Amino acid sequence: GNSVTQMEGPVTLSEEAFLTINCTYTATGYPSLFWYVQYPGEGLQLLLKATKADDKGSNKGFEATYRKETTSFHLEKGSVQVSDSAVYFCALSADYKLSFGAGTTVTVRA
Amino acid sequence: DTAVSQTPKYLVTQMGNDKSIKCEQNLGHDTMYWYKQDSKKFLKIMFSYNNKELIINETVPNRFSPKSPDKAHLNLHINSLELGDSAVYFCASSPTGPQVQPQHFGDGTRLSIL
Repeated sequence: GNSVTQMEGPVTLSEEAFLTINCTYTATGYPSLFWYVQYPGEGLQLLLKATKADDKGSNKGFEATYRKETTSFHLEKGSVQVSDSAVYFCALSADYKLSFGAGTTVTVRA
Repeated sequence: DTAVSQTPKYLVTQMGNDKSIKCEQNLGHDTMYWYKQDSKKFLKIMFSYNNKELIINETVPNRFSPKSPDKAHLNLHINSLELGDSAVYFCASSPTGPQVQPQHFGDGTRLSIL
């Protein structure tokens, strides 16, 4: 079946630090891949997406590249801000549904 | 002009009661979903409807019954609530098409069972 594994948190960083959240997937066929972000008390928002191998999704300084050879979609940001504190979910879309990773809680301290 | 709206935002009730959560989307999407998020933030799909027809029904107790009166609405009715039903329930919607489209989420309904 389809599944997503992402690094466990929580992750605590200082402002301007580099953030990486690892995500690997298992899927039949060629799924689309997403990163969603959930700010405290809110629903999930799409952060970025990639629909085919070697696509790079980017938004708000975050980037992730669809790597078919390593079945990965790692999220990176070069300089985080306090406002980036949230829960980040990696997800793949196949068979008309999203399969989510367990979520990684990121806290950025000033 | 909220895209996906759920009501109520908070729901506190006793074990054994029956309750409903409503969801509406004004995005013109064809597909709507219900997800359950547990206390550890783990998200799991429960149901999906496309143009008012059920297309995904994960292993969910039959105490949970979704209803889609039209493609802009997907309500969730829960009978005989149990302690384990305490969670945040998210509604989402997406367009359908030849390529997979991202889903838009509501802000969630926090259900607490006493």
